[in-house]
Amino acid sequence: EAQVTQNPRYLITVTGKKLTVTCSQNMNHEYMSWYRQDPGLGLRQIYYSMNVEVTDKGDVPEGYKVSRKEKRNFPLILESPSPNQTSLYFCASRLAGGSYEQYFGPGTRLTVT
Amino acid sequence: GQQLNQSPQSMFIQEGEDVSMNCTSSSIFNTWLWYKQDPGEGPVLLIALYKAGELTSNGRLTAQFGITRKDSFLNISASIPSDVGIYFCAGRSQGAQKLVFGQGTRLTINP
Repeated sequence: EAQVTQNPRYLITVTGKKLTVTCSQNMNHEYMSWYRQDPGLGLRQIYYSMNVEVTDKGDVPEGYKVSRKEKRNFPLILESPSPNQTSLYFCASRLAGGSYEQYFGPGTRLTVT
Repeated sequence: GQQLNQSPQSMFIQEGEDVSMNCTSSSIFNTWLWYKQDPGEGPVLLIALYKAGELTSNGRLTAQFGITRKDSFLNISASIPSDVGIYFCAGRSQGAQKLVFGQGTRLTINP
């Protein structure tokens, strides 16, 4: 089944404790991105990657890091999480050109206390 | 970042009613996408549109790419309880890689 997977689905952590949220897709998509979703603010892009070893900032990149060492994986790293990073996070992927149909993962609900 | 103007923000309807929502942009788009999000889940792609005037259906859902290329519309006919959720539009302008998202329309259905 073609899909985007994220782990973990739920995470409660404390301020300053480094964490990684994994994202993987099995559709051979070049483009992958991370979003956060907050009430009243909609979906905001954090980082995106056009292909392996090519990453760039989205609209709200502060406090986040990403890496793209393999085409299928695009982990989101929070080096020192803070309470304002409590949010619902989505990974998404699509082909770099052509249809632009973007597919989302199931989401990771992060709470930072 | 740029946002699309999606309306209405919320709708409360009776089961069986038809639903209409729309998105508008200040700039011309080459692609319009419509998603549905259930609580606690990721958005699921419903319909993709690529040409001005294009009308595409997916079951009881029909979406249209506005002829001005600055808007798109989604209609749901004969709503049922499982249609409850948040519907998002997304668009892409020419040459852009990034999708821009609307704020969503929350649909509630009274049985």
